[in-house]
Amino acid sequence: KQEVTQIPAALSVPEGENLVLNCSFTDSAIYNLQWFRQDPGKGLTSLLLIQSSQREQTSGRLNASLDKSSGRSTLYIAASQPGDSATYLCAVNSPGGSRLTFGEGTQLTVNP
Amino acid sequence: AAGVIQSPRHLIKEKRETATLKCYPIPRHDTVYWYQQGPGQDPQFLISFYEKMQSDKGSIPDRFSAQQFSDYHSELNMSSLELGDSALYFCASSTGGVAPISYEQYFGPGTRLTVT
Repeated sequence: KQEVTQIPAALSVPEGENLVLNCSFTDSAIYNLQWFRQDPGKGLTSLLLIQSSQREQTSGRLNASLDKSSGRSTLYIAASQPGDSATYLCAVNSPGGSRLTFGEGTQLTVNP
Repeated sequence: AAGVIQSPRHLIKEKRETATLKCYPIPRHDTVYWYQQGPGQDPQFLISFYEKMQSDKGSIPDRFSAQQFSDYHSELNMSSLELGDSALYFCASSTGGVAPISYEQYFGPGTRLTVT
């Protein structure tokens, strides 16, 4: 059974800092990995999708990397802003199906 | 750009009642997924449909059923509601169907179900 873990569970940083969120998964036989953002009580916004054959994806100030063999992904946020405050969720496709298995998320607070 | 539409956005039901949640996928998306997110928890996969056929099944209670219709919209039917069913229910859609061809999942805003 695929399990996804995210570290840290919570992170508080001053505005302007660069930061890294970590995601690990137990079964490396994934098809792709998605990073999502979720504001309190709101829906999930897809930030980046990395296919299993890719190592990296970038969108604006966000950069996600994938090391499938070691079961790890990182989300790098450059020059953080208070508007980046949210919960960030990592999710992977489980083997044998198209479902996403989510980590428990990292709650990010960027202080002005 | 069109997004996934879910209705209703909020629903309040009493124990033992039934509820129906609706999902309208992004146009030309053929796969629909349902997820349940309890308070303070990560989303848990319930069930998915590809081309109107069930494609994957997760931790969906027997009291729940779902289907995908010819216009690709989907409905999640929940009966004998329990307090523990109170959660945010998300629908997502994608193209490509089942693995190994899996594409990006786009999520709707969710339906917040409160069971009293």
